[in-house]
This record gives sequence, C-alpha cells and structure tokens, in this order.
Amino acid sequence: ETGVTQSPTHLIKTRGQQVTLRCSSQSGHNTVSWYQQALGQGPQFIFQYYREEENGRGNFPPRFSGLQFPNYSSELNVNALELDDSALYLCASSLVSGGTGELFFGEGSRLTVL
Amino acid sequence: GENVEQHPSTLSVQEGDSAVIKCTYSDSASNYFPWYKQELGKGPQLIIDIRSNVGEKKDQRIAVTLNKTAKHFSLHITETQPEDSAVYFCAAPSWSSASKIIFGSGTRLSIRP
Repeated sequence: ETGVTQSPTHLIKTRGQQVTLRCSSQSGHNTVSWYQQALGQGPQFIFQYYREEENGRGNFPPRFSGLQFPNYSSELNVNALELDDSALYLCASSLVSGGTGELFFGEGSRLTVL
Repeated sequence: GENVEQHPSTLSVQEGDSAVIKCTYSDSASNYFPWYKQELGKGPQLIIDIRSNVGEKKDQRIAVTLNKTAKHFSLHITETQPEDSAVYFCAAPSWSSASKIIFGSGTRLSIRP
C-alpha cells in the first residue's frame, strides 16, 4: 500500500509568484485535505476535496485554490505569493470525508518565499 | 470562536517516567478527539483517538481521557522511551466546517536518558 506522497519537497519562490504543490493520496482514499504549518505551530486547515469537489474551506484567501483529479490526487495552487506564505504545506488523505476520520499525512512541501 | 488550546508547549521527562499533555476545546458539540505525533521532517501521524461516547481509551503505553463537561482531553504516555521524543498535537472538529480539524499549537516532548 503506497502512502501519501507530495512534491516538490522543497522550493523557493519570490513574492508575487505562483506555486503549484502536488499530492498523491493513499490507495483507496477519496478525500484529500490540505494544511499549512508555520514553523513551531500546528497545522491550519486550508480546504478539503471529496470526489473532485471542494468540501469545506478554512480561513484562507481565494488566492489559495485547489483541484482534485479522478484518481483522487490533488493540487494546491497559491497565487501572488506573500512572505507569510512561507510554511510547510501538508496534504492528508482519508477514507471518509468530513473531520472525524484518521488523516494520513504526507511529509509535506516546504515553501520559502523571499 | 473555535479554538483548541494545548499545554504545555514543551515538556522534558526522564526516560521511564510518564508524560501528560492537556487540551481544551471550545465547541461542546465536538465528538472526535485525535492525537497526532510529528517527528522531525515528517508529517503528523495519528497515535490514538477518542470519540465522545467514551471517557478513556488505552493502547499499550498511550492513553487518552476525555471530560466532556469540562471540555478537555489529555494524552498520557507511560514508561517513556527515547523514541517518544517528538511534537504532539491534539485536535478537534470545527463547528464552522464539518471537514475542518482544528489542531492545537503542539507540545515538544523530550525524553532525557
């Protein structure tokens, strides 16, 4: 059974640029959630996708957007990057949608915005 | 507002001793309380969870207790070992979005040899 994989593992961007982060969910999981984890803090919910539809969103501006594909893999896109977007971005897949099931996290994509 | 508060932020215990981490939550309707462990360079991993219909759950050296009246829950690790060193996060579902899990700010646990 393949776990959650994310790419790239590290990347550096400058303010104003755009970034796309990718996530392959664990086999059999149809739900993907994205989290932002700033240094020394807990993960903050960005949004969740269930069967290719957004299924809930946290307090993030519209420049944070996502997609889920028919194979349940997912992308997180961030436009007009700001310095505060520097963080570890975590993808988590789950067997059930909603917020009451186990989340299986990838190792994250560390984004640095200069 | 919705919030999960976690204490302490850092904890150092002697190997073999017990460690306790506490969390409080704001939404009385919350019914699922997971605990995640995050090792350096890795994503969080679920170590134990509890649902609101029970007051305690154990899994070997790890236990979680839940007090719904006081809206707090705790993680207990007994007979700590070096591999228990990590950052631990409590979490609870959000009242504002059914898909949203709110994480605490984390506890960095260090086990002294």
